Order: sequence, then C-alpha cells, then structure tokens
Amino acid sequence: EDQVTQSPEALRLQEGESSSLNCSYTVSGLRGLFWYRQDPGKGPEFLFTLYSAGEEKEKERLKATLTKKESFLHITAPKPEDSATYLCAVRGTGFQKLVFGTGTRLLVSP
Amino acid sequence: EAGVAQSPRYKIIEKRQSVAFWCNPISGHATLYWYQQILGQGPKLLIQFQNNGVVDDSQLPKDRFSAERLKGVDSTLKIQPAKLEDSAVYLCASSYLGANTEAFFGQGTRLTVV
Repeated sequence: EDQVTQSPEALRLQEGESSSLNCSYTVSGLRGLFWYRQDPGKGPEFLFTLYSAGEEKEKERLKATLTKKESFLHITAPKPEDSATYLCAVRGTGFQKLVFGTGTRLLVSP
Repeated sequence: EAGVAQSPRYKIIEKRQSVAFWCNPISGHATLYWYQQILGQGPKLLIQFQNNGVVDDSQLPKDRFSAERLKGVDSTLKIQPAKLEDSAVYLCASSYLGANTEAFFGQGTRLTVV
C-alpha cells in the first residue's frame, strides 16, 4: 500500500532562516510526487510535480527535490507569507490513487 | 480557467441527520476525487471517479456514505446518517486523465456534526 510520511509535523522559523521539509514515501512504481500548500480554511494549492529521482523544481523561495525514497522541500530565506501547511502526495501505478501525507505546519515569524 | 466549485461552504447538522455536498470539477477533467480532511491531518481519499466510473472507494464507509457522478461531470457526496466523527472538511479535486497529472482542489465544505 502506498504510504507518505512527512516530517517535522510543525516547524517554526524566523524570517530569513532557511530550512527543509521532508517527505518519505513508499509506492509501487512512482508516477508522480506532488507538493501542495494549504492555507487555513482553504483547499490545497498545487506547487510542484516531480517524476523521477534527481529531478528538481523551483518557484520563488521554494525548491523541491526527489530521490528514490524521499523528497525535500527547501525554503530559502522564508517570509511570514510562506506560513502554511505543506502537503506531499504520491501517485503510483495501478489505480492511480493520490495518497497524501499528514503535512508540515510551517510558521515564519517576522 | 474556472476552478473546482464546491457547495455549501459550511454545514452544521445534528447526528443521525443526512447531508449532501456538491462538486463541479474543472472543465475537461475526467478524474474527480473526494477527500475527507480531519483537523490537523492530511486529506484522506474517500472515492475517486474516472469519468462516471468508480476507480477506488476502498476507504469510503459504504454503510453511511455514498457518491455519484452523473454524466461524468458534477458529483455529489452524501452522508446518511451522520455521526459526530464525520465532522471534517470535505474536499473535492479534479485532474486530467493520467497518473502524472496534478489534481486541483476546491475550497472544501466544512461539516460540523453536533
């Protein structure tokens, strides 16, 4: 069964203090790993898709990387507006279920 | 491009009552998902449709939950009768066909069962 584990559960950073969020996964035949951002009271907002080990994608202060067992979301010089819950999801072969982790709650203080 | 539309945004019902949620996916998206998100947790897939056929409903409590997707477009999710533990946000998402396509989410319906 496909599984996703995210760590840490919560992370508090000072503005400008870079860090990384981890997403470990177990999936039969990875077809895609997805990162989402979720603000309180809203649905998840799509950020990145990664397809194969070694792939990297960037958007503003965020950079996502992928290995065969895990993905990292690197946040460089974060700002308070980056505060949100970051969710990781995977889709494997078979019925193509999109399985989510429990998320990392990020709080960036000014 | 219009996003995924869901209604209502909020619903409060008493336990043992019934409730229905509606979802209109992004035009052209063949795959539609219903997720349940309990406070502080990640979204849990309840049911996934491909056009109007069910791809996965392994985590749908079928004794009380039902879902349909008529004509492969709009979808409704129903709970009857509701329990206290059904209090959660119900998220609808849609995507194009294909394992490597991203899903786009609606704002969700926050259900409170009292």
